Amino acid sequence: DIQMTQSPSTLSASVGDRVTITCRASQSLTGRLAWYQQKPGKAPKLLIYKASDLESGVPSRFSGSGSGTEFTLTISSLQPDDFATYYCQHYDSFSYTFGQGTKLEIK
Amino acid sequence: QVQLVESGGGLVKPGGSLRLSCVASGFTFSDYDMSWIRQAPGKGLEWLSYISSSRNTLHYADSMKGRFTISRDNAKNSLYLQLNSLRAEDTAVYFCARFIHDYGAMDVWGQGTTVTVSS
Repeated sequence: DIQMTQSPSTLSASVGDRVTITCRASQSLTGRLAWYQQKPGKAPKLLIYKASDLESGVPSRFSGSGSGTEFTLTISSLQPDDFATYYCQHYDSFSYTFGQGTKLEIK
Repeated sequence: QVQLVESGGGLVKPGGSLRLSCVASGFTFSDYDMSWIRQAPGKGLEWLSYISSSRNTLHYADSMKGRFTISRDNAKNSLYLQLNSLRAEDTAVYFCARFIHDYGAMDVWGQGTTVTVSS
C-alpha cells in the first residue's frame, strides 16, 4: 500500500506569511492527489484536486503542485481563517489514502 | 443547497452493531459515487468505504472488510454504513462524502455522526 507522509506535522506561522506543506508518497503516484482543510469540530473542506486544480470558491492564495512522489500545498499570504489542519489524500484504483495531517498554528 | 446529513451514531457496547445513514439533498444523488470516512478523537482522517453511483462497485479499507458494509438507496437519496462487531478503536466521528471520480477526491462532506464504543 502507498503511504502518504506530510511534513511538517505542525507549523507555526504569522498572518501574511507564505507557507508550504509537503506530502510525500512511498512510491511514485499515478493517480490523483487532493488537499483538504479541516477546522476543529468541522468536516474537511476540499481545497485542491488533481494536485493543482483549485476547487470552486477556494481563495486563489491556495495553490498545489507536484508530481511523482512529492506534492506541495502553498498558501501565499496567510489569513486568520487559514489556521487549521491540512490533509493530503491520494486516490488510485482501490486505494484512498490520507496523510497524517499538518496543523497550522498561529505564531 | 448541496447537503449531506448523517445520523445513526451513538453509544454501543463492544461487539454491538449500528447502522449509519446519510441523506443527500440539493443534487442528483443517483449520479454520484459516495464514500465513508472516519476520524478517531484527536486523530487524522481514515477512508473506510466507497460505493459507485449504480451500486455496482464497492471498495473497503482492508481493516474494515468483513465488519462494515456500505449500501445505498437511490430512491431515498440515502447512503448507509452497517457497522458490526464494533470495537473500542472504532470510536470516531463518521463522515459521508460525495466522491468525484475525475477529481479522485471528496467535494461535499456531511457534518459527521459520532460513534462511541464502550462498555
